Amino acid sequence: GQSLEQPSEVTAVEGAIVQINCTYQTSGFYGLSWYQQHDGGAPTFLSYNALDGLEETGRFSSFLSRSDSYGYLLLQELQMKDSASYFCAVRGGDSSYKLIFGSGTRLLVRP
Amino acid sequence: DGGITQSPKYLFRKEGQNVTLSCEQNLNHDAMYWYRQDPGQGLRLIYYSQIVNDFQKGDIAEGYSVSREKKESFPLTVTSAQKNPTAFYLCASSNSGQGAGELFFGEGSRLTVL
Repeated sequence: GQSLEQPSEVTAVEGAIVQINCTYQTSGFYGLSWYQQHDGGAPTFLSYNALDGLEETGRFSSFLSRSDSYGYLLLQELQMKDSASYFCAVRGGDSSYKLIFGSGTRLLVRP
Repeated sequence: DGGITQSPKYLFRKEGQNVTLSCEQNLNHDAMYWYRQDPGQGLRLIYYSQIVNDFQKGDIAEGYSVSREKKESFPLTVTSAQKNPTAFYLCASSNSGQGAGELFFGEGSRLTVL
């Protein structure tokens, strides 16, 4: 099967940098994605890594190490609106279409 | 506007009743998904479909059923066999299982069993 682990909560100050880690186990691996979800809303896509290294999209960056089955999401210049839950998700197992989510990290940004 | 429409947004059901949640997309995506989310928890995969007339079980398919008769529609039935159906249900679609295959989500359906 597939499983992902990420911290349940992270707190940071406005303007700071925060890193949310994710480790995964899967029998087959196609890529690691990150999604953001505000309370009561639907998840929205942030980034995707299929190969090792860092992908940068504005204030957000995502990193992947396939040999370590590990990735992280880096959020820079934190803003109050970044307070949300962040989920890593892995495409893997018996189908590249199968996307399994982690339990989520709740980020609280304080003034 | 292109997107995914889920209905109803809120639904109340008595124990022992089946209920069907609707999911329609006009993004011309091949793949569609159903996830369940409990308060403070992650998304758990119920069923997914790569193409019309084909679907696969996810991690928590017991007590649920789906159909994919049309590309744009992927309804989910929560049956009376589902022991704890009260949850937030999210439908999603993607245009590929390759590459990023970004999932686009609907606004969700919140089911409460009375």
